[in-house]
Amino acid sequence: GAVVSQHPSWVICKSGTSVKIECRSLDFQATTMFWYRQFPKQSLMLMATSNEGSKATYEQGVEKDKFLINHASLTLSTLTVTSAHPEDSSFYICSARESVRMNTGELFFGEGSRLTVL
Amino acid sequence: QKEVEQDPGPLSVPEGAIVSLNCTYSNSAFQYFMWYRQYSRKGPELLMYTYSSGNKEDGRFTAQVDKSSKYISLFIRDSQPSDSATYLCAMSASGGSYIPTFGRGTSLIVHP
Repeated sequence: GAVVSQHPSWVICKSGTSVKIECRSLDFQATTMFWYRQFPKQSLMLMATSNEGSKATYEQGVEKDKFLINHASLTLSTLTVTSAHPEDSSFYICSARESVRMNTGELFFGEGSRLTVL
Repeated sequence: QKEVEQDPGPLSVPEGAIVSLNCTYSNSAFQYFMWYRQYSRKGPELLMYTYSSGNKEDGRFTAQVDKSSKYISLFIRDSQPSDSATYLCAMSASGGSYIPTFGRGTSLIVHP
C-alpha cells in the first residue's frame, strides 16, 4: 500500500513556542492531504484539507492562524502549531490521497505526531 | 444523530473467535466504505475498501455493506491477540470532495 511518513512522532515544547510537523507521501503523489486531530478514545477530527499549490481549507472552529498548513509539493505538507499552549496538546495525524484515486475516498495515514505542550 | 454511528466498545473476545464490528450511517449518498485499524499511539491503517453494496474478503477479514439498511460490517475470523486495536469505519459520497466521515472506532481486545 501507499506509504505516508510523518515526523516527528513525538514532540515536547514549551508554551508559546511553535512546532512544525511534516507529512510526506513516499511512493505516490498526493494532490490532497488532510490533517486530523485525535483526542484519547475519540475519533479523528478533521482540521483542514490541504491542496498542493493552494491555500488550505479549514474546518469550522479551527483557527487558521494557529494551525498553519503549507502544501508546497505533491509529496509534502506541513502543519505548524504557532504559539502552542497546553490545550493544543494532542495527537495530530496527517493523511494523503493518491492523485489517481481522487474519486474514491481512500486515505493513507501517517504514524501520527504526539504533541505535548508544557 | 451523527452521520456515522459506531459502538466504542471495548469488545473483548477469546483468541480464535469470530469478531463482528459494525457501523450504521444516515447519509444515503455514501458509496465508498472503508475499515481502518489503529494500534495505540499509531496512525490508522487501511484494512478494507468497498464500493457500494456487497461483500469483500481479504484473508481473515470480510467487509459487508448493506446500503438498504445503511449498515456495514467487518468480520474477523480466527481472531488473534495481534488483532487487538481500534477499528474505525469510514465512508464517503461520490461527487464533491470525497472526504470520508469516520466513526469513533471500536476498541477490540483479543485475549489469549
